[in-house]
Amino acid sequence: DQQVKQNSPSLSVQEGRISILNCDYTNSMFDYFLWYKKYPAEGPTFLISISSIKDKNEDGRFTVFLNKSAKHLSLHIVPSQPGDSAVYFCAALYGGATNKLIFGTGTLLAVQP
Amino acid sequence: DVKVTQSSRYLVKRTGEKVFLECVQDMDHENMFWYRQDPGLGLRLIYFSYDVKMKEKGDIPEGYSVSREKKERFSLILESASTNQTSMYLCASTTGGPFEQYFGPGTRLTVT
Repeated sequence: DQQVKQNSPSLSVQEGRISILNCDYTNSMFDYFLWYKKYPAEGPTFLISISSIKDKNEDGRFTVFLNKSAKHLSLHIVPSQPGDSAVYFCAALYGGATNKLIFGTGTLLAVQP
Repeated sequence: DVKVTQSSRYLVKRTGEKVFLECVQDMDHENMFWYRQDPGLGLRLIYFSYDVKMKEKGDIPEGYSVSREKKERFSLILESASTNQTSMYLCASTTGGPFEQYFGPGTRLTVT
């Protein structure tokens, strides 16, 4: 059973426009959410995170929104750049010391010049 | 900068071989993880370890084992490789608390 879902396998956006990547989860016990970016033949790199006590976190061009009642989070990239083209994974964290992450299936973002 | 290194970027093995994948981190992190990444399935946790000689099964441990004899090193072992273990294997580490995991570059394993 997929606890973290990214229903869009791919997304194509024009350079300079906004990219919105979505993620849904089913377990209300998740207390921390993260977004990772992954280029081909490389490991994922951390992008931005949000605690469940917040509804928004911003870092430069990247903003993550959390809607706990809907169990939904989204990553906004404004403005999108060709270098943002990658697979984006959302992940949810169970509380506790082991830092076990549950990952979504990923969304391939293509930013067209 | 945190560095997580994996012993091989690409590996080709035959069915039935024993395979060792090594991961080393240089930041004294307590927690280490092994994932596999497959198209359409995302990253799935195989095993993790929160201390030396400690290990916990993840979501898909069947066909795998792990070893953590030193804090900086976490090994994934395929006792008898099978074609359905062809995948990208990713190692990660983190310190305690709700902090992000740091990933190695991955090992693309092909079992023929």
